[in-house]
Amino acid sequence: SYVLTQPPSESVAPGKTATITCGGNNLGGRSVHWYQQRPGQAPVLLISFDSDRASDIPERISGSNSGKTATLTISRAEAGDEADYYCQVWDSSRNHVVFGGGTKLTVL
Amino acid sequence: QGQLVESGGGVVQPGTSLRLSCAASGFGISAFGMHWVRQPPGKGLEWVAVVWYDGRTKYYADSARGRFTISRDNSRNTIFLEMSSLRADDTATYFCARATNGDSSGFFVSWGQGTLVSVSS
Repeated sequence: SYVLTQPPSESVAPGKTATITCGGNNLGGRSVHWYQQRPGQAPVLLISFDSDRASDIPERISGSNSGKTATLTISRAEAGDEADYYCQVWDSSRNHVVFGGGTKLTVL
Repeated sequence: QGQLVESGGGVVQPGTSLRLSCAASGFGISAFGMHWVRQPPGKGLEWVAVVWYDGRTKYYADSARGRFTISRDNSRNTIFLEMSSLRADDTATYFCARATNGDSSGFFVSWGQGTLVSVSS
């Protein structure tokens, strides 16, 4: 089955840029979607199809995907960006949805 | 995007069964693939199952296949997850989610708030 690999944690200073990676075999050939989940809440869509921001998502949040790695970039990090972030793809060979393991972003 | 509200969670003993429901409002589910996603306490998201728009086509994660059954009732704008032979590692918050497409593909535009299932003796 298809596997997506994310680092368990990342940290960023306020005002700096955070990058969260998602790795998978030939990931650049798939569409990657990103979600943010704050404690006790449901996930919220941030990015679809590698780089399309969802409604009401600020421009300082962006995505890219190439080769074996997709990247979520959060510029000018704020305290409110502290959350868990998940990448997701569709595994067409099995008609399954696959999530990465999630990355906990700390802003300190 | 509408609203999804899950119900039916609770504390159950290993080996027993439980039925979860997810009621949609503000939109009709009939054209969309509807999914269940779970999250064990303190862990990441795990996809569980999908039922396509047609109500007949269903796919399951390996952990759910043979024990869980997903279904939908478009007339009631509701989906269900019948879980049997429950195990301790099924303990999780179960979210329903609406996808952008009628099949398994796409991404999730709406999520419920989740319902907690705790399997313990």
